[in-house]
Amino acid sequence: DSGVTQTPKHLITATGQRVTLRCSPRSGDLSVYWYQQSLDQGLQFLIQYYNGEERAKGNILERFSAQQFPDLHSELNLSSLELGDSALYFCASSVAGGSGAEAFFGQGTRLTVV
Amino acid sequence: AQSVAQPEDQVNVAEGNPLTVKCTYSVSGNPYLFWYVQYPNRGLQFLLKYITGDNLVKGSYGFEAEFNKSQTSFHLKKPSALVSDSALYFCAVRDGNTPLVFGKGTRLSVIA
Repeated sequence: DSGVTQTPKHLITATGQRVTLRCSPRSGDLSVYWYQQSLDQGLQFLIQYYNGEERAKGNILERFSAQQFPDLHSELNLSSLELGDSALYFCASSVAGGSGAEAFFGQGTRLTVV
Repeated sequence: AQSVAQPEDQVNVAEGNPLTVKCTYSVSGNPYLFWYVQYPNRGLQFLLKYITGDNLVKGSYGFEAEFNKSQTSFHLKKPSALVSDSALYFCAVRDGNTPLVFGKGTRLSVIA
């Protein structure tokens, strides 16, 4: 158990809908990362928050947004969903914002858009 | 920008034989290098990392990796493979405070 908790584990929704994925980082970790894993694109970095502030942005679509709350949990909001958004979404956390600190991953949320 | 290449999509090895999973990287500064393993329907598990110092780093489950600056490589190794090592392995690199950038992954299959 990595200590990173993601809910829900599975989500099935229709095209055009909006969903929210939730992540609770390991105790003491200030940095939260969101990644998308799909068969054809591999593991793509979406966005990073550090202590409530956006730190880095990757290949995140405009239809997607995220935030980190004062208690350090994070939510990833996906809207106007398309079939191609079906993927495994991972949250990871680390104690620091980068350098040599390893990131610990949650078990992911499998999103299926139908 | 940093990048990682895992040149083999699939590696097959017999149980008891040594295994190597290859990784090469590109960064502008000093690299921080990581290996992760993913079992089916699970998240990524941290195996080991290189920050500085000894080029041979040891990690979980008997895995080790060798950092080679001149060849910009960070290959994952294990002296004797187990069937339970069969999984998807990811190499990742970070340049300073940037987020981890992952390779496409290598599927390791250990055959009994």
